[in-house]
Amino acid sequence: DIQMTQSPSTLSASVGDRVIITCRASHNINNYLAWFQQKPGKPPRLLIYRASSLERGVPSRFSGSGSGTEFTLTIDRLQPDDFATYYCQQYNNDFPEFPFGPGTKVDAK
Amino acid sequence: QVQLVQSGAEVKKPGSSVKVSCEASGGAFNSNTFTWVRQAPGQGLEWMGRIIPLLKKSNYARKFQGRVTMTADKSTNTAYMELTDLKSEDTAVYYCARDVGLPYGLDVWGQGTTVSVSS
Repeated sequence: DIQMTQSPSTLSASVGDRVIITCRASHNINNYLAWFQQKPGKPPRLLIYRASSLERGVPSRFSGSGSGTEFTLTIDRLQPDDFATYYCQQYNNDFPEFPFGPGTKVDAK
Repeated sequence: QVQLVQSGAEVKKPGSSVKVSCEASGGAFNSNTFTWVRQAPGQGLEWMGRIIPLLKKSNYARKFQGRVTMTADKSTNTAYMELTDLKSEDTAVYYCARDVGLPYGLDVWGQGTTVSVSS
């Protein structure tokens, strides 16, 4: 089974901060890693795919990096609209399941 | 732009089944893979499985094997997820989402369907 972990589980930050969230996969997923943002009562929103490709319409303050088993989502100059929960997901077809990480909640300090 | 519209909220008894629909509009149905994700109250996202209509192929999370069936009807542009033998732990919001194949991710999501299981 492939497992996804994220850290931290909760992150307190202020508007204008740089925020970094880490996601780790238990196996090499060949960069098939996506990042999502979710706000309460709403479906997730795709931010990043293939580890570092910015989804159309997503602000450039969001960026993704990493390879193999370790990945990061960075939010530069955090905006009020960015307080939300962030999930990573692996989608490498070599594995039969495409699990999400447990999530990282970004809240106001 | 593709839109996914899901069926309405359901209230079910333990042991019964639920079938949630996800109608796609605005694009070629067979160019999509449909994934189902659920979220229990206050919890994270749980991948349930996916179906590739063009290949008539589906794969499910081991946790749901034997209880879940995902289908797709090209004539109505609708994907379905049926979950049987419902338990209280199946109370959740169920989402459908689509992707158009590698390297792209789940870029379009339905609004979610609340399924409540209670005696």
